[in-house]
Amino acid sequence: AQSVTQLGSHVSVSEGALVLLRCNYSSSVPPYLFWYVQYPNQGLQLLLKYTTGATLVKGINGFEAEFKKSETSFHLTKPSAHMSDAAEYFCAVSDRESGGYNKLIFGAGTRLAVHP
Amino acid sequence: NAGVMQNPRHLVRRRGQEARLRCSPMKGHSHVYWYRQLPEEGLKFMVYLQKENIIDESGMPKERFSAEFPKEGPSILRIQQVVRGDSAAYFCASSPASGGDNEQFFGPGTRLTVL
Repeated sequence: AQSVTQLGSHVSVSEGALVLLRCNYSSSVPPYLFWYVQYPNQGLQLLLKYTTGATLVKGINGFEAEFKKSETSFHLTKPSAHMSDAAEYFCAVSDRESGGYNKLIFGAGTRLAVHP
Repeated sequence: NAGVMQNPRHLVRRRGQEARLRCSPMKGHSHVYWYRQLPEEGLKFMVYLQKENIIDESGMPKERFSAEFPKEGPSILRIQQVVRGDSAAYFCASSPASGGDNEQFFGPGTRLTVL
């Protein structure tokens, strides 16, 4: 079965520092991968997604992620953190193994704190 | 174009009561998904519906939970005889088409508290 693991439930960085949020997946078929951001008491907003093609994907707010099949990873990065980036980030994979590819399987989330 | 709308945003129920959560998808979207987020956890899929049809309810508890998406009106997630373990945030998402590469647009959620 497909699964998503996010290493580090809490990550803290200084403003201006590199942001690196880790995501590893398990899938027996080529995955569709997503990163969502959730601000307090709000719904989820899509940052970026990988389906096919270029493995380096650029998203909104300066974020990008690279799909590495050999490492089964889809880590999220941003060169310089901003205070407004403080939020919870979820990695997700579209369930394509069981034919239920319309549903998303989420990791447990990583809460990003940004300090002045 | 308004986003996905959910109401109420907060719902308090006593054990044994019924909870009804509503979701209006984005205009033009006919695919609706419901997810549940327990405290300190990620979202878990519950059910996927198209207009008047339940397509996939593999994540839905077998008892007390039901969902519908009628031809007219919002999608409804209904929880009968709520228990404290039902306390969670319930998110609805919609998409314009099926297929795992389609973005799902999420609503702000309904936070259910069972006393």
